[in-house]
This record gives sequence, structure tokens and C-alpha cells, in this order.
Amino acid sequence: AQSVTQPDIHITVSEGASLELRCNYSYGATPYLFWYVQSPGQGLQLLLKYFSGDTLVQGIKGFEAEFKRSQSSFNLRKPSVHWSDAAEYFCAVLGNEKLTFGTGTRLTIIP
Amino acid sequence: DGGITQSPKYLFRKEGQNVTLSCEQNLNHDAMYWYRQDPGQGLRLIYYSQIVNDFQKGDIAEGYSVSREKKESFPLTVTSAQKNPTAFYLCASSMAWGSGANVLTFGAGSRLTVL
Repeated sequence: AQSVTQPDIHITVSEGASLELRCNYSYGATPYLFWYVQSPGQGLQLLLKYFSGDTLVQGIKGFEAEFKRSQSSFNLRKPSVHWSDAAEYFCAVLGNEKLTFGTGTRLTIIP
Repeated sequence: DGGITQSPKYLFRKEGQNVTLSCEQNLNHDAMYWYRQDPGQGLRLIYYSQIVNDFQKGDIAEGYSVSREKKESFPLTVTSAQKNPTAFYLCASSMAWGSGANVLTFGAGSRLTVL
């Protein structure tokens, strides 16, 4: 069975600083990978997805993620965060027709 | 605008009562899902439905029931058999089940509190 690990429960960054959220997955074949964002008390919104092809994928709100097969990772990055990026971020892997989510990373932005 | 509507947003229940959470989508999606979210545990799949009149148990189906009589509707009943029902419940849908079609659209969620 597949699994997803988000090792950072909570990250705090200053507004304007760069951001990297870590995601490691476990799956025997080539995975489909996703990043979702959740504002407090709301549902999840898709930021970006990787199915195949270019390993650097661009998403909404200026986010990007890089698939590294050798490291089983799919880290999310943003060069300059905005206060509105404060939210919880979930990495997910689709394998065997089942979507498995990580436990999430909560992002706090300080002025 | 197309989307998923969940109701109610907040719900309080006494122990021993069944409650039903509503989920309606106007995206013309075939597949629908119910997830439970608890702090620090991510999202766990309760039930899913690939098509009308069909549904399957997810990872934590005990104490829950669903129906899928219409394409656009997938209500979730939290029964009195669910031992720890206080949680945030998320409904989602996708165009189809499996492979690249499995990009989920989520509703805004329903928060259930058992008193």
C-alpha cells in the first residue's frame, strides 16, 4: 500500500521569504502526485499535480513542485510567500486507484 | 458556478442520535467521496461511489452509511455506532474513478460535534 509522509507539522516563514514544504511518498510504480491547500474551516483546493513528463510542475498562486524519483519526493516551493498563503498544505499520492493523503503541514506567515 | 455544496456547515448531536450530512454536486461528476479529517491525521476515506447506485467502503467505514440514488447527491449518515464521531467531514467528487481522472474537487466541509 502507498503512503505519504510530510515531516514538518508546522512551518513559520516571514512574508516575502522563500518556502519549501517537504513530501515523501512510498509507492512501487510511477505515482500520480498532488498538492492541495486548505484554509481554516474550508475544503481543499488543488494547487498542482504531477502525472508524467516534466518533473517540475507549475501550479496556481505561484507554487511549483519538483518530482524526484530517486528521492521519492515531491516538494512544494514558492519563491516569495504572501500573508494569504497561510493555510494547511496536503500532499497526496494516487496509487492502485486510491488517493492517500499526508497528515499536512500548517504554514504560518509572520510580517 | 459549478461546485459541491455541503450542509449543514455546523451540526451538534447528542450521543445515540443518527445524523445525516448532505452533499450535492453540479459538476456532472461520476465519482463522489466522503473523507473524515481529524487534527494531525490528514484525511481518511470513509466511503466512495464510482457511479450511481453503487458505493464502496473506504478505510474507516464502520459506524457510517451512505446512499447514491442520484448522480448529484451522496449523503452520509453518521450512526450511533460510530464511537468517536466529532470531526470535520469533507465531501469530494471527480470526473471518474481512478487514474488521471481522479482529481478531486472538495466541498467546504461540515463540522460535527457530539455533545
